[in-house]
Amino acid sequence: GQQVMQIPQYQHVQEGEDFTTYCNSSTTLSNIQWYKQRPGGHPVFLIQLVKSGEVKKQKRLTFQFGEAKKNSSLHITATQTTDVGTYFCAVTSGTYKYIFGTGTRLKVLA
Amino acid sequence: DAMVIQNPRYQVTQFGKPVTLSCSQTLNHNVMYWYQQKSSQAPKLLFHYYDKDFNNEADTPDNFQSRRPNTSFCFLDIRSPGLGDAAMYLCATSRDLAGAHYTFGSGTRLTVV
Repeated sequence: GQQVMQIPQYQHVQEGEDFTTYCNSSTTLSNIQWYKQRPGGHPVFLIQLVKSGEVKKQKRLTFQFGEAKKNSSLHITATQTTDVGTYFCAVTSGTYKYIFGTGTRLKVLA
Repeated sequence: DAMVIQNPRYQVTQFGKPVTLSCSQTLNHNVMYWYQQKSSQAPKLLFHYYDKDFNNEADTPDNFQSRRPNTSFCFLDIRSPGLGDAAMYLCATSRDLAGAHYTFGSGTRLTVV
């Protein structure tokens, strides 16, 4: 079955440092979504990527879809304490079902 | 504001005692999902309804059932909760099956004693 790994599993950064999480699939993807889950909260949709090589930005967040559509990254520039949480990718290979990645837990030290 | 509402926020049930979790939505979305999320893990899809059509995941235990009496409401029934069923249960909706993102409720944290 499809496997979706995210690396790193955990990341601690000093406030102001950059952060990147990677999402890797064993199969070619139709599209990928990113979600953020604050501690004790629920996943909140951030963005969806569809096209090969696509890059989208939301303020300090940059999302990229790999050329082969098997991987994606989320990069946060100059992290803030409000960025704390777990970042999940969710992928589909063409069916209706989205598989959530293993998640990357980000802690930001003030 | 349009939203997905889950009640209760916290639920404590006894081992083996049936429990029902509820979810309602004001988004008028066609699809409603139930996810189980254990500590430090990714959400795991249990089943979903596309309108009135029920779709069970292959590895969802028979202990878990669901009902969707109308567009707005969906229920998760756990017939005989075990200690391993303690988790956060997340309800989500999407406008359609393909290409639409999920809107999650705040979740119900289930404790089994």
